[in-house]
Amino acid sequence: TQLLEQSPQFLSIQEGENLTVYCNSSSVFSSLQWYRQEPGEGPVLLVTVVTGGEVKKLKRLTFQFGDARKDSSLHITAAQPGDTGLYLCAGANFGNEKLTFGTGTRLTIIP
Amino acid sequence: GAVVSQHPSWVICKSGTSVKIECRSLDFQATTMFWYRQFPKQSLMLMATSNEGSKATYEQGVEKDKFLINHASLTLSTLTVTSAHPEDSSFYICSASLGSVLFFGPGTRLTVL
Repeated sequence: TQLLEQSPQFLSIQEGENLTVYCNSSSVFSSLQWYRQEPGEGPVLLVTVVTGGEVKKLKRLTFQFGDARKDSSLHITAAQPGDTGLYLCAGANFGNEKLTFGTGTRLTIIP
Repeated sequence: GAVVSQHPSWVICKSGTSVKIECRSLDFQATTMFWYRQFPKQSLMLMATSNEGSKATYEQGVEKDKFLINHASLTLSTLTVTSAHPEDSSFYICSASLGSVLFFGPGTRLTVL
């Protein structure tokens, strides 16, 4: 069974601060996705990383896929209240559409 | 982007009754859909893979006779929670695949009294 552990589990910071969320596994994934979920809604895809060492930027969000494709990180610069939500990483393997979701990081940005 | 809808968005039922939740891909066809459940403040747990025209594939520990899945068309999958009990109360989310991308529905909150 492939497991994805996210850290921290909870994070509450002031608006304008920077933060990093980590997603770690002992298993290799062919790709890794990051989602944000608001209460009472389904997850919304933020990014997909597929190449070991890949870095993708989405405005203030920077995503990195580990060289060994076992881990990933999400860095948010100058966090804003609109960034509040549950952040989920999810791993996938070649030829398999099933996703393994991480344990989640609940982020709260205080105005 | 592609849209996936779920109906109902929330449902309250009495213990022992059955509840059907629909998942529709509105502007694309999906041969594969997935059903997840999510407990409060927790991550998504995959329950089963719904395959159009064939039986669903259930994850370990998920009772197939309790969570009936039907994928009768390329745009509709249904999840029926049979003889629901309070411990079945949860947020149920479906997703549909379009190529290599999964699109998620908005979820259905089930409360069993």
